[in-house]
Amino acid sequence: GAVVSQHPSWVICKSGTSVKIECRSLDFQATTMFWYRQFPKQSLMLMATSNEGSKATYEQGVEKDKFLINHASLTLSTLTVTSAHPEDSSFYICSARRPPYDEQYFGPGTRLTVT
Amino acid sequence: QKEVEQNSGPLSVPEGAIASLNCTYSDRVSQSFFWYRQYSGKSPELIMSIYSNGDKEDGRFTAQLNKASQYVSLLIRDSQPSDSATYLCAVRVDSSYKLIFGSGTRLLVRP
Repeated sequence: GAVVSQHPSWVICKSGTSVKIECRSLDFQATTMFWYRQFPKQSLMLMATSNEGSKATYEQGVEKDKFLINHASLTLSTLTVTSAHPEDSSFYICSARRPPYDEQYFGPGTRLTVT
Repeated sequence: QKEVEQNSGPLSVPEGAIASLNCTYSDRVSQSFFWYRQYSGKSPELIMSIYSNGDKEDGRFTAQLNKASQYVSLLIRDSQPSDSATYLCAVRVDSSYKLIFGSGTRLLVRP
């Protein structure tokens, strides 16, 4: 159990366009999901905490108007990168907490390239 | 600033040996501790969670927690080349369920 999927697994988009990434918990309901970004050879950077039915909580330095997060159901959270620029190119990974436990289970990640 | 510290490595061990990975954390009230494995280009995979002082064993993996010393470790017995990866230590720090990750220790298991 505790399977998390992400779609798409990779995406290439042009500068100035928006990209939506979906994160789904397949076999459990996740009241809390998290979005991370990871640059090559660097550690995970938490971007935001997504709670079902409420606004996301963004980490300091993360632009909430640029990275729109929606957690509309107990199994789906989405991250939309708006007006993407080449510096937004990165590996975006979501995770989901399976209540009542603390463990987070990660999706396979989405590799975004902005040209 | 709550921190989780790991030696970046690489830690190189021969096949069949015990690999010992260490992690220290700064927040004394932390309650939940996790080890993740991340292969290059892939997302992290949960290996172990530990909540109480002492040892917790799961197959070839043993997690050890010492809250007084703010120290958590992961032992990998009978290391295999397929264990070569980066191991991330993570600590839950508050009621938001956020995890603070260390920068990871790269493990190389030599055949």
